[in-house]
Amino acid sequence: NAGVTQTPKFQVLKTGQSMTLQCAQDMNHEYMSWYRQDPGMGLRLIHYSVGAGITDQGEVPNGYNVSRSTTEDFPLRLLSAAPSQTSVYFCASSYSSITTNEKLFFGSGTQLSVL
Amino acid sequence: AQSVAQPEDQVNVAEGNPLTVKCTYSVSGNPYLFWYVQYPNRGLQFLLKYITGDNLVKGSYGFEAEFNKSQTSFHLKKPSALVSDSALYFCAVRDSGAGSYQLTFGKGTKLSVIP
Repeated sequence: NAGVTQTPKFQVLKTGQSMTLQCAQDMNHEYMSWYRQDPGMGLRLIHYSVGAGITDQGEVPNGYNVSRSTTEDFPLRLLSAAPSQTSVYFCASSYSSITTNEKLFFGSGTQLSVL
Repeated sequence: AQSVAQPEDQVNVAEGNPLTVKCTYSVSGNPYLFWYVQYPNRGLQFLLKYITGDNLVKGSYGFEAEFNKSQTSFHLKKPSALVSDSALYFCAVRDSGAGSYQLTFGKGTKLSVIP
């Protein structure tokens, strides 16, 4: 199993550009989520999904869109990139969306810079 | 609203000495508590969790954590620190109530083990 795979690992954007961060998992996990990590702020939840076709907002959803058309994939879209979105982005998944005490499996992250 | 506090940005400990990384939490219901570790340029890895039962939880790499309900704390401990334990440690909490999918992370504590 590859686990949780994120692409790209690094990306530089100009203000106003759009892009999609990819996340795929091969563990048949129901629950998937996106976090951003900023210095001194820990990890903050952007969006999450409890199954194909079901998504919801986290703590910091503005400026981001998600969709979940398959169990495996959970892409994060930046609609119009802003410098405030410069961050490291992590995708994470867990097996069950009902049992909320399960551990998360994290991808290796995408480092995004918006100029 | 749920929250986590990690009062120390950095903890320094000599190799072979015991280490403690502190965490306090706030939830309206009963907590599910987690510790994750992040090595440089990597995603987060699960260390241990408290769901219910014994207040002392044992996890990966010789780490353990003690749940204290009256003090709303979940401190991470290890009897003898290794240089390889140097990393960023995150405490996280989720309310055990139905439909609580949001996992809230602390800001992280950088552990440095000095040879």
